[in-house]
Amino acid sequence: GQQVKQSSPSLTVQEGGISILNCDYENDMFDYFAWYKKYPDNSPTLLISVRSNVDKREDGRLTVFLNKSGKHFSLHITASQPEDTAVYLCAAGGGSNYKLTFGKGTLLTVTP
Amino acid sequence: DMKVTQMPRYLIKRMGENVLLECGQDMSHETMYWYRQDPGLGLQLIYISYDVDSNSEGDIPKGYRVSRKKREHFSLILDSAKTNQTSVYFCASSSGTGNYAEQFFGPGTRLTVL
Repeated sequence: GQQVKQSSPSLTVQEGGISILNCDYENDMFDYFAWYKKYPDNSPTLLISVRSNVDKREDGRLTVFLNKSGKHFSLHITASQPEDTAVYLCAAGGGSNYKLTFGKGTLLTVTP
Repeated sequence: DMKVTQMPRYLIKRMGENVLLECGQDMSHETMYWYRQDPGLGLQLIYISYDVDSNSEGDIPKGYRVSRKKREHFSLILDSAKTNQTSVYFCASSSGTGNYAEQFFGPGTRLTVL
């Protein structure tokens, strides 16, 4: 089964609104969590990452919330802009193998 | 300038031909990765390399092998390519011992096997 799951394949938000992207995971050993952004025909780029010892991290318009007991983390984008339109990939990893497991992605569309 | 490069960017091969995909990085990262991305499947890990000649299978290694003879170079080899290996291949690197969730990706190679 999928170890990292993004249940929403797509999300549409109006410009200026808050985009909330969700990710669920299965492995209790995961202790690194990350969000990547990917434009069509481009490579993923890291947006923000957290370790399991924090439950929230902010960076400008981006906030990651981590709920370890619920095996869930989310990315909130405030003041969403049309240029935020992209595929967002969540990823999680843990242990000594340095592997990240990626979700299948959520296509965020921000409409003017 | 932190960079991961991939060559070639586009490649068309016939079934049964050998394929060599090259990846380079200038960050002295210990850990490097090969992924493939297919519609509806997301990024899947093929192989991971922890340093020179220290490679480990990922989630879908069948049909692939890798070579890492220098820290800055990581190659993906398809011996006798198959049509189901048509995909976009991404190489990535990370500092490994640091925050390995921070992976730097190359631009990708679009491989078509006819």
